[in-house]
Amino acid sequence: QKEVEQNSGPLSVPEGAIASLNCTYSDRGSQSFFWYRQYSGKSPELIMFIYSNGDKEDGRFTAQLNKASQYVSLLIRDSQPSDSATYLCAVNVNSGNTPLVFGKGTRLSVIA
Amino acid sequence: DAEITQSPRHKITETGRQVTLACHQTWNHNNMFWYRQDLGHGLRLIHYSYGVQDTNKGEVSDGYSVSRSNTEDLPLTLESAASSQTSVYFCASTGQGNTEAFFGQGTRLTVV
Repeated sequence: QKEVEQNSGPLSVPEGAIASLNCTYSDRGSQSFFWYRQYSGKSPELIMFIYSNGDKEDGRFTAQLNKASQYVSLLIRDSQPSDSATYLCAVNVNSGNTPLVFGKGTRLSVIA
Repeated sequence: DAEITQSPRHKITETGRQVTLACHQTWNHNNMFWYRQDLGHGLRLIHYSYGVQDTNKGEVSDGYSVSRSNTEDLPLTLESAASSQTSVYFCASTGQGNTEAFFGQGTRLTVV
């Protein structure tokens, strides 16, 4: 059973702070890692993906991957109230067409 | 612009009725997926397809079926709706290599 674990939250951070969202996965063979944002009542939308160990930065977002520890995280710098949403971690075991396995999501609340 | 659309957006049906949810994508993606999302469970995979005439069961496939007669459509059928199938249903598609999953807007199904 492939599992993706996230703290359900809510994670509350003040506006302007760094929000840190964490995800662990059980299958050591996992190849691709994705972070989705989902606003209440809306569908998930992709924020970032990462394939290699280390950091990947895109604007205010940084994804971090540590395959040895089976750990992937998402940092949001200068958090804004508009970042308040549920963040879903998704993992693909193979680089091919294996369906994504999603974590249950972490609810982030940015307080103005 | 390419898109993925679901219909209906909302549906109320009675226990025991057959229900079909539509999913149509214009991305020309081979891979299509159906998920359900429930509080406390996150996104769970129901069925998926890697191409025309190909269908596969996900982790929560009991009571559901899909068919793939063309690239664009993957309808989800509930053979005999049960109250436990009250949920929000998302359709998604990916291209080769699963670099990004595009989601439909979701269908909120209530079984009474």
